[in-house]
Amino acid sequence: EVELLESGGGLLQPGGSLRLSCAASGFTFSGYAMAWVRQAPGKGLEWVSCIVNGGGITYYADSVKGRFTVSRDNSKNTLYLQMNSLRAEDTAIYYCAKLRGAVTWSNYYFDYWGQGTMVTVSS
Amino acid sequence: QSVLTQPPSASGTPGQRVTISCSGSSSNIGSSILHWYQQLPGTAPKLLIYSDNQRPSGVPDRFSGSKSGTSASLAISGLQSEDEADYYCAAWDDSLNGYVFGTGTKVTVL
Repeated sequence: EVELLESGGGLLQPGGSLRLSCAASGFTFSGYAMAWVRQAPGKGLEWVSCIVNGGGITYYADSVKGRFTVSRDNSKNTLYLQMNSLRAEDTAIYYCAKLRGAVTWSNYYFDYWGQGTMVTVSS
Repeated sequence: QSVLTQPPSASGTPGQRVTISCSGSSSNIGSSILHWYQQLPGTAPKLLIYSDNQRPSGVPDRFSGSKSGTSASLAISGLQSEDEADYYCAAWDDSLNGYVFGTGTKVTVL
């Protein structure tokens, strides 16, 4: 059974940094692209970032480009999101999601989601 | 910000058919597979439809998806109380080089 378990969320001040982790199990982690999606309180879903299975190619939403860095350690079956220069508008539940598909990103979809970890940025 | 437009709400009585639309452009829906997600209150999203009209194992056949050009729709036939949730469409956007989600539709069972 596929499981994705996020951790690392918390309360911090604007300008601070945080690293989120997503521990994966139940599938061959190194064989799949992964993503982060967030949801601000009472709002809709917003894609944040994705990374190919080997880690060499990454994409970011414009809202986090230059501030967030996605990475993975396939030996530990873990996905990471390093978040720097945090802003109030980054306050959200951050979900880790497994991607499934083939050939190009336009053919991929999020087939499994974790339960999320809450990040609150406030002074 | 959401690039895909959905109606904010939809409703129906048990047993009715409800349809949710998702409108985009040639850079997303028009050139990418469309997927739908169901988010029950207080829970994580769950894949409902992928590749425009495919249901993952375990998703009831009451849920169906379709796509034409730059628009798509999700239909729920035989509406049940447990279908009360938020529904989101999503696709890859070639112009943004990223995924875009719909604005979300809250389905209420009257």
